[in-house]
Amino acid sequence: DIVLTQSPALAVSLGQRATISCRASQSVSTSSYNLMHWYQQKPGEQPKLLIYDASNLASGIPVRFSGSGSGTDFTLTINPVQADDIATYYCQQSRELPLTFGSGTKLEIK
Amino acid sequence: EVQLVESGGGLVQPGRSLKLSCLASGFTFSNYGMNWIRQAPGKGLEWVASISSSSSYIYYADTVKGRFTISRDNAKNTLYLQMTSLRSEDTALYYCARRDGGVTTPFAYWGQGTLVTVSS
Repeated sequence: DIVLTQSPALAVSLGQRATISCRASQSVSTSSYNLMHWYQQKPGEQPKLLIYDASNLASGIPVRFSGSGSGTDFTLTINPVQADDIATYYCQQSRELPLTFGSGTKLEIK
Repeated sequence: EVQLVESGGGLVQPGRSLKLSCLASGFTFSNYGMNWIRQAPGKGLEWVASISSSSSYIYYADTVKGRFTISRDNAKNTLYLQMTSLRSEDTALYYCARRDGGVTTPFAYWGQGTLVTVSS
């Protein structure tokens, strides 16, 4: 199974940049696609797709969210961070079965 | 508007069975692959099972293989998860989610979830 490793928590000041990382135990990229996706989950809510294929913004997601990376190292960036961004962020790979998620990074405000 | 509404959760004893449903609306259900994903209380997300639009392709996580069965009724716009031999570790909020393509595509839409508690 592909294991995705995320830091448990990140504290950032409002208006600053947040960088959330996800490292895969093996490559999740093909010759055409980087099969890593990012989700936001606010307390008591279902997850919401933010970024797909590493760097593509999902429909309706603000442009302050962006994603990058390839191979085994991926990053979700929120710039600038707003109060509404307080949530847990999960990466997920679809390179191979079983589909796996990272353990989540909880974004906190300093 | 895409809507996914799960139902069927509840309190069940270990070893018993339960069947979850997910009623879809706002899109042509028969065109999309569907999935079940669960989240144990206070924990992260775990993919459970996937089914293609025509039920031709079905996949399971090893933790549920042989115990859970995913199925769908395209005429009723409904996704199902039949769960048998339930264990305490199956306690979780179960989400259904829609993909926009094959298994390599992300989970684009999620329901609100239905809670399954396995306890004596």
